Amino acid sequence: GAVVSQHPSWVICKSGTSVKIECRSLDFQATTMFWYRQFPKQSLMLMATSNEGSKATYEQGVEKDKFLINHASLTLSTLTVTSAHPEDSSFYICSAREGDRAPSYEQYFGPGTRLTVT
Amino acid sequence: QKEVEQDPGPLSVPEGAIVSLNCTYSNSAFQYFMWYRQYSRKGPELLMYTYSSGNKEDGRFTAQVDKSSKYISLFIRDSQPSDSATYLCAMIIQGAQKLVFGQGTRLTINP
Repeated sequence: GAVVSQHPSWVICKSGTSVKIECRSLDFQATTMFWYRQFPKQSLMLMATSNEGSKATYEQGVEKDKFLINHASLTLSTLTVTSAHPEDSSFYICSAREGDRAPSYEQYFGPGTRLTVT
Repeated sequence: QKEVEQDPGPLSVPEGAIVSLNCTYSNSAFQYFMWYRQYSRKGPELLMYTYSSGNKEDGRFTAQVDKSSKYISLFIRDSQPSDSATYLCAMIIQGAQKLVFGQGTRLTINP
């Protein structure tokens, strides 16, 4: 159980275009989902936290107008990178937490999406 | 200074060796300490978690937390080539939602 999927696994887009990444919890309801960014050989950096039905909370330094997050249902969150630039190329990983009573450390990670902006 | 410091390595050891991975941290409010394994181009998977200080063992893996020194360790016994991955430590304050990760240590087990 506790499987999180991401789609697509790899995407190439041209500079200036937008790209949407989906994160789904397949066998549980995720009240909270998290979006991370990971550059090569670096750690995961939290971008934003989203709770189902409410606006995402962005970490300091993350442009909310550039990285649009929607958590419209208990099993789906989307991250849209708008007007992508080559510096947005990175590995984007989502994680999900099951319910408000789940331990805060218990987050299930998706397999990641590699974004390349040309 | 980063909240969590972890030597990125790379670390290369022969099969069967005991591996020691470590992290230090600065925020004494951290209460949960986790170790994740991440294979190349995959998401992290939780290996172990520990609450507060102490040891925890799971098969070939042992996690240790020393809150007085703000130091955590992961030991891997009888290391296997399949253990080759990046190991990330992570920490969280009780009741908070934000995991704080170390940089990750790239480990290679040579057959």
